[in-house]
Amino acid sequence: GAGVSQSPSNKVTEKGKDVELRCDPISGHTALYWYRQSLGQGLEFLIYFQGNSAPDKSGLPSDRFSAERTGGSVSTLTIQRTQQEDSAVYLCASSQYQISGDTQYFGPGTRLTVL
Amino acid sequence: GDSVTQMEGPVTLSEEAFLTINCTYTATGYPSLFWYVQYPGEGLQLLLKATKADDKGSNKGFEATYRKETTSFHLEKGSVQVSDSAVYFCALSDREYGGSQGNLIFGKGTKLSVKP
Repeated sequence: GAGVSQSPSNKVTEKGKDVELRCDPISGHTALYWYRQSLGQGLEFLIYFQGNSAPDKSGLPSDRFSAERTGGSVSTLTIQRTQQEDSAVYLCASSQYQISGDTQYFGPGTRLTVL
Repeated sequence: GDSVTQMEGPVTLSEEAFLTINCTYTATGYPSLFWYVQYPGEGLQLLLKATKADDKGSNKGFEATYRKETTSFHLEKGSVQVSDSAVYFCALSDREYGGSQGNLIFGKGTKLSVKP
């Protein structure tokens, strides 16, 4: 497709379970970002992938959070042993500096609810 | 560290009123500045951007000028419409020397409601 896609759009899980969130960036975009949007914290950066470089994990809130990007395209954000404070909308964005400069294009997000 | 501060909402205006949403930033490098908009039930969309001092970004009647001397990027529109009701986020991307991209740092968002 033309834009960033994310799946699932909604995820309800029980406390303590693991969840995986998927992001398909815009084709050809080498940079991929994960953000979290919650009522209390606003929009927070989580992790950044750029090409084959080591990811910038500086925004991950705990070691329960991890992400990988396979083949320089699709990315999966994994949250282990989910807690209620993990409830938020998880946003993925991609960009390609040579095409659109610093502009990041966002997906529709995955709304995670931890019961 | 880098940060973005924008005026707190909510902001309620009548149709055709003038809009200003203030945004100031702190950055150590050479930031690009953005306004993103989130319409009800939708994802984040880029509204406009500016990549260097004195640049003016514009789109859909909205404008913002990159003011390095006041570290500001205020959003303005001369005549708002009901369809402009949304949450507006100011953001910066602080590139390192050499143009390496960075993540976006967002303000907390300003909710705008426009009444007919």
